[in-house]
Amino acid sequence: AQKITQTQPGMFVQEKEAVTLDCTYDTSDPSYGLFWYKQPSSGEMIFLIYQGSYDQQNATEGRYSLNFQKARKSANLVISASQLGDSAMYFCAMRGVTGGGNKLTFGTGTQLKVEL
Amino acid sequence: DSGVTQTPKHLITATGQRVTLRCSPRSGDLSVYWYQQSLDQGLQFLIQYYNGEERAKGNILERFSAQQFPDLHSELNLSSLELGDSALYFCASNERGVGETQYFGPGTRLLVL
Repeated sequence: AQKITQTQPGMFVQEKEAVTLDCTYDTSDPSYGLFWYKQPSSGEMIFLIYQGSYDQQNATEGRYSLNFQKARKSANLVISASQLGDSAMYFCAMRGVTGGGNKLTFGTGTQLKVEL
Repeated sequence: DSGVTQTPKHLITATGQRVTLRCSPRSGDLSVYWYQQSLDQGLQFLIQYYNGEERAKGNILERFSAQQFPDLHSELNLSSLELGDSALYFCASNERGVGETQYFGPGTRLLVL
């Protein structure tokens, strides 16, 4: 079975500072993918960044980067130069192949609040 | 805007009733996924369709069913509704159904009274 753990229910960060949101995972699949999604208060789920288990380099997308440490089974999201609009719930998710299909298993999320 | 559309945005109904949620995937996407987000269960995968065929099943109740039509839109049918079915229901899509990113629709917020 796959499991995603996000241990930070809530985080505060000051505008323009960097913040790291933690994510650890557990899987027996040899190949898997890790995703981060953002959910603003309006409710939609916005894809941010993806890391494949065999990717040699950490993924980056603009101000978002994924600190992937395979041996530690962690996939932390780093947001640089935080903006007020980054205030939202952030979900880490894993895609595995066990059982077929392409389902995502989500963590419980981290609520990020960016302050002036 | 992800390109995935869901209707209706909000739905209020009573216990015991039946509702249908509709999803149109992004243009070119063959695979559709349904997820449920509730306060007590978090985000859970319900079911996946690929080009009209069921591909994978998750924690979907027997009272719930889904299908994907030839034009690739999908419907999630929820029957004999209970208070605990109140949740945000998401549809997501991707092109081939394996490996790629899933793009989520805006969700349908269901309230069962």
